[in-house]
Amino acid sequence: SQKIEQNSEALNIQEGKTATLTCNYTNYSPAYLQWYRQDPGRGPVFLLLIRENEKEKRKERLKVTFDTTLKQSLFHITASQPADSATYLCALFTGGGNKLTFGTGTQLKVEL
Amino acid sequence: ETGVTQSPTHLIKTRGQQVTLRCSSQSGHNTVSWYQQALGQGPQFIFQYYREEENGRGNFPPRFSGLQFPNYSSELNVNALELDDSALYLCASSLGLAPQETQYFGPGTRLLVL
Repeated sequence: SQKIEQNSEALNIQEGKTATLTCNYTNYSPAYLQWYRQDPGRGPVFLLLIRENEKEKRKERLKVTFDTTLKQSLFHITASQPADSATYLCALFTGGGNKLTFGTGTQLKVEL
Repeated sequence: ETGVTQSPTHLIKTRGQQVTLRCSSQSGHNTVSWYQQALGQGPQFIFQYYREEENGRGNFPPRFSGLQFPNYSSELNVNALELDDSALYLCASSLGLAPQETQYFGPGTRLLVL
């Protein structure tokens, strides 16, 4: 069956460290993968899109990698800050149009 | 703020009732997608509308139906509500169907079915 897996356990890190979140998928061959941030009670906010022919994408303190052989994407936040605390969702395009299939999300908590 | 608005923000219904949720897309966006997000889960795709036509549907029963209006705003209707329909309902708008088009999510409607 098709699955998108993210660490269900919350990730706690110290301010200033690099946070690394994992997204693994099975039985999909996505051409695109996206990462979103979601704060409690709010809708997801788009962060980055990476294409299957791109190994890495950066935006300010964010970096995403996409390994289609391992079927895995890694999401890094460098020099993390308490304001980065949120749930981070990975999402694949899995059908016609721009329908998204989301993982369950990983909650990140950055402590002082 | 994304410019996508949803109403109402919260709603309480009882089992068997019907509900209509509304979404105003960002200006110029002709595509609206609806998602259901249960507590602790990622959003699940319900269906998508492109220029007033349904363009894809997820694994949801027919009692979930929708509509898109000429101004591209949209409605989600759920009939015969069940307890498991309790969730955050999100709409997202985009400028077209291409995967490269960013989807902008609204704040959601929190539905509680008792």
